[in-house]
Amino acid sequence: AQSVTQLDSQVPVFEEAPVELRCNYSSSVSVYLFWYVQYPNQGLQLLLKYLSGSTLVKGINGFEAEFNKSQTSFHLRKPSVHISDTAEYFCAVSDRYSGSRLTFGEGTQLTVNP
Amino acid sequence: DGGITQSPKYLFRKEGQNVTLSCEQNLNHDAMYWYRQDPGQGLRLIYYSQIVNDFQKGDIAEGYSVSREKKESFPLTVTSAQKNPTAFYLCASSRTGDSTEAFFGQGTRLTVV
Repeated sequence: AQSVTQLDSQVPVFEEAPVELRCNYSSSVSVYLFWYVQYPNQGLQLLLKYLSGSTLVKGINGFEAEFNKSQTSFHLRKPSVHISDTAEYFCAVSDRYSGSRLTFGEGTQLTVNP
Repeated sequence: DGGITQSPKYLFRKEGQNVTLSCEQNLNHDAMYWYRQDPGQGLRLIYYSQIVNDFQKGDIAEGYSVSREKKESFPLTVTSAQKNPTAFYLCASSRTGDSTEAFFGQGTRLTVV
């Protein structure tokens, strides 16, 4: 069985500051990892994904994440945030046994203040 | 444009009534999913289907039912047996197989009064 823990439920930051949203996972097998973003009353949009290979993954809107197998983490980072980055962010995991079914974390609300 | 369409966006129902949420996709995906989203709880899987005429229960299937008669459509019925149906419901689809990403609809917000 897999699980995902997003360590911060809310992250307030100022515009142009760097941000890190933390995600830890638990799984007994190799995993695939995803970050999704959700704007208010909208569906989820994929930001980036780690399947294999390079542990540093670059996504859309200037976001990147680093897969750390020893720490079972997949933290999301952006060097300089904009007001428009205000949204909820979800970390998700799957593996070769769960197929395309994803297990999601509880979400992190990122609020960018002027 | 290819995508997933959920309708309606907002839905109000009286307690004790069944209600059906629509989900249609034109991405030619075999797999479809229904998730429920509540504040602070992330997304929880209700039902999923990997092929037409077949579906499986997810983590919170009680009080819900689905059908998959067509590849493009995966409607969700919230029955009167669901004790706390007010929530945001998200439909998703993907190719089958591991390591595939899910594509999401815009969601339906159901309020039961």
